[in-house]
Amino acid sequence: GQSLEQPSEVTAVEGAIVQINCTYQTSGFYGLSWYQQHDGGAPTFLSYNALDGLEETGRFSSFLSRSDSYGYLLLQELQMKDSASYFCAVANQAGTALIFGKGTTLSVSS
Amino acid sequence: NAGVTQTPKFQVLKTGQSMTLQCAQDMNHNSMYWYRQDPGMGLRLIYYSASEGTTDKGEVPNGYNVSRLNKREFSLRLESAAPSQTSVYFCASIEASGGNEQFFGPGTRLTVL
Repeated sequence: GQSLEQPSEVTAVEGAIVQINCTYQTSGFYGLSWYQQHDGGAPTFLSYNALDGLEETGRFSSFLSRSDSYGYLLLQELQMKDSASYFCAVANQAGTALIFGKGTTLSVSS
Repeated sequence: NAGVTQTPKFQVLKTGQSMTLQCAQDMNHNSMYWYRQDPGMGLRLIYYSASEGTTDKGEVPNGYNVSRLNKREFSLRLESAAPSQTSVYFCASIEASGGNEQFFGPGTRLTVL
């Protein structure tokens, strides 16, 4: 079967750093993506890793280790507006859609 | 550009009724997708269309049909709605199959009584 595992909830305070992990088990692998979803809204794209290593985009970074079937999203200088759900997703074949994890709810407090 | 649009935003059906959810994108994207999202379940793929004229089943296709009307439009039909189909439905598109970023519509919130 195919599965993605990520923590269901994470809490942090403003200004802190938080890491959301994702481990995957899929029949193929074409890349790991991260999406953010605010309550009731549409998911929006954050990052994509096809190769091992760290990708940085502003306050957000994403890491991938294909040999470990593992990746993480790193959020720095947390702000209240970062409170949302974060999903990792894997494209397991070229030409097919993404398989999503169940999501991690991040709560940022002051 | 409007991006990905979905209609309706909300819908209430009775068990056994049928309806079609509409999705359109104005980004000239090749691939389009339908997902459903239930509490604690993440996003699950119902059907997708890798290109105009093709459709394929995803993880949870039972009870649904789709039509890729043209490059812009991809509709999802419930022939006989059931309470288990109560969910939020998202349409998404991507420039090319295997591309990096999916663009999502605002969702349709469907309740089946």
